[in-house]
Amino acid sequence: GIQVEQSPPDLILQEGANSTLRCNFSDSVNNLQWFHQNPWGQLINLFYIPSGTKQNGRLSATTVATERYSLLYISSSQTTDSGVYFCAVHTGNQFYFGTGTSLTVIP
Amino acid sequence: DSGVTQTPKHLITATGQRVTLRCSPRSGDLSVYWYQQSLDQGLQFLIQYYNGEERAKGNILERFSAQQFPDLHSELNLSSLELGDSALYFCASSVGRYQETQYFGPGTRLLVL
Repeated sequence: GIQVEQSPPDLILQEGANSTLRCNFSDSVNNLQWFHQNPWGQLINLFYIPSGTKQNGRLSATTVATERYSLLYISSSQTTDSGVYFCAVHTGNQFYFGTGTSLTVIP
Repeated sequence: DSGVTQTPKHLITATGQRVTLRCSPRSGDLSVYWYQQSLDQGLQFLIQYYNGEERAKGNILERFSAQQFPDLHSELNLSSLELGDSALYFCASSVGRYQETQYFGPGTRLLVL
């Protein structure tokens, strides 16, 4: 199956800082999604982004499908941004998740 | 609140037993997906149903089965449970069949003792 690698594995930020999370995938995919798992375990869809750039408030994402990577930008981070960020790719009829980036935002 | 509901929230059972997890999708969504999240395996896709029919299959063990009923709710049946089946089981739903934006339920935490 497809390998999905996320970096960095862990990130600690001061509140207000910006960050970039990366997702690399090993083969062509049909689509890509970014999720946030909050400290209570809830998974929340952030972006459905097979290609191009999307923005939603302080978050934005860019996928360059031809180069097999996606980036998630978090600006002016807040403590509520803490949690684990996953990217997931879909190819054929399969989904593959990365191992996640664990983000801690400290006040 | 995603609109996807899962019951029960927590389940504790013994090895060798059988359990059923239930999921109700968002109103209007026809696809239901099941995922397993464990410490050693991470998040894994198990299976997708679309409008009552199996559409895609992932790393679902033979001891596990699922179905989607005419009212579109879905059940995941786990049998002959082993310690390693302890995990968080998520259900998600989407409008169509092609795995577009998915909305996740709160999960069922299963502990096998």
